[in-house]
Amino acid sequence: GAGVSQSPRYKVAKRGQDVALRCDPISGHVSLFWYQQALGQGPEFLTYFQNEAQLDKSGLPSDRFFAERPEGSVSTLKIQRTQQEDSAVYLCASSLGTSGYEQYFGPGTRLTVT
Amino acid sequence: RKEVEQDPGPFNVPEGATVAFNCTYSNSASQSFFWYRQDCRKEPKLLMSVYSSGNEDGRFTAQLNRASQYISLLIRDSKLSDSATYLCVVNKVNDMRFGAGTRLTVKP
Repeated sequence: GAGVSQSPRYKVAKRGQDVALRCDPISGHVSLFWYQQALGQGPEFLTYFQNEAQLDKSGLPSDRFFAERPEGSVSTLKIQRTQQEDSAVYLCASSLGTSGYEQYFGPGTRLTVT
Repeated sequence: RKEVEQDPGPFNVPEGATVAFNCTYSNSASQSFFWYRQDCRKEPKLLMSVYSSGNEDGRFTAQLNRASQYISLLIRDSKLSDSATYLCVVNKVNDMRFGAGTRLTVKP
């Protein structure tokens, strides 16, 4: 079956623009995670959804970052007034259960803020 | 101090060598442990889970020491295709914390 998909794969934004990154998890997966990965670093946790409920958003770096998953499937990560330090790969992952399950990652969206 | 720490490497080893990676974690409430593999410009993929009793999957052996809060990965008879970054992952409830990764290059 289809894996996790993300769009766009690449995004170039001018500083100050708003961007929206989309994640389509594997069908039936309860959990959905967003991560930010800077060059040479491991993925840094941003936020977690269990179905449509956002249970943890402790990793969101500022109030410019907002995520939603209104129907418990597709999720959108929105970044308002982008800054250069937001440049990174944004990874989405989904898993079947709620704890300790393998996470399946999408290919990521590479965001470059100029 | 980061919650999950790994030696970044790089580890450059010849084919057939045995190589070991270590990882320490700071949160004693951590419940599940994993090794993920990430190839250059690709997404991470699960290599193996790590169980308290230690576990093996072919050429790969993972160990967990809860008392020392330490995880290891041993790769025997390394292949060129093992070249990648290996990420140590620690899970506490719904919170997955990744190490920065250890880069491995296997050379002919």
